[in-house]
Amino acid sequence: DGGITQSPKYLFRKEGQNVTLSCEQNLNHDAMYWYRQDPGQGLRLIYYSQIVNDFQKGDIAEGYSVSREKKESFPLTVTSAQKNPTAFYLCASSRREGGRAAGELFFGEGSRLTVL
Amino acid sequence: AQSVTQLDSQVPVFEEAPVELRCNYSSSVSVYLFWYVQYPNQGLQLLLKYLSGSTLVKGINGFEAEFNKSQTSFHLRKPSVHISDTAEYFCAVIDTGRRALTFGSGTRLQVQP
Repeated sequence: DGGITQSPKYLFRKEGQNVTLSCEQNLNHDAMYWYRQDPGQGLRLIYYSQIVNDFQKGDIAEGYSVSREKKESFPLTVTSAQKNPTAFYLCASSRREGGRAAGELFFGEGSRLTVL
Repeated sequence: AQSVTQLDSQVPVFEEAPVELRCNYSSSVSVYLFWYVQYPNQGLQLLLKYLSGSTLVKGINGFEAEFNKSQTSFHLRKPSVHISDTAEYFCAVIDTGRRALTFGSGTRLQVQP
């Protein structure tokens, strides 16, 4: 079955440590996204990538970094510069049409990061 | 810039009653609109989408939504809810000037027996 796999599902981190969240898709989608979810705030866009070796900052990119070396993979690193990293992180992918995202997103199951 | 407002953070309703979850959007250009559902500790699943054509859109699990351009709304409705519909629902928009969806803050639907 095609889909998006995020790992780990749960992650604990000490303050000052960087952590990397994995996101892999086998849907052959060009575009991939990272969203952060906090209670009562919906989903906020961290980074997105329309094509391999290219990515753009979203609305809350500070303290995060990404790479897109392969079409299937879009890992997110939460750095020590992120002041409030405890959250639920969701990875998604979509097709592209006419040079922009087709709109419909397919989501992974999410990764819950807790900073101790 | 595109934005989405979900007016109700929580909606309690009794089983088999009808429900409407409200969504208003702001955009200066044409848009695509979506409703997603999220069960606890899971990702989001697409309920329905409006891209063009008929303004009444039917989705999975008996949900439907109506696109109203003049009121910039895309409210979600179901004529009779079940306990299993208890979840969080997100409205989302993308316009021709953006490359990613913008989500509302979500509405928690609580179906009571």
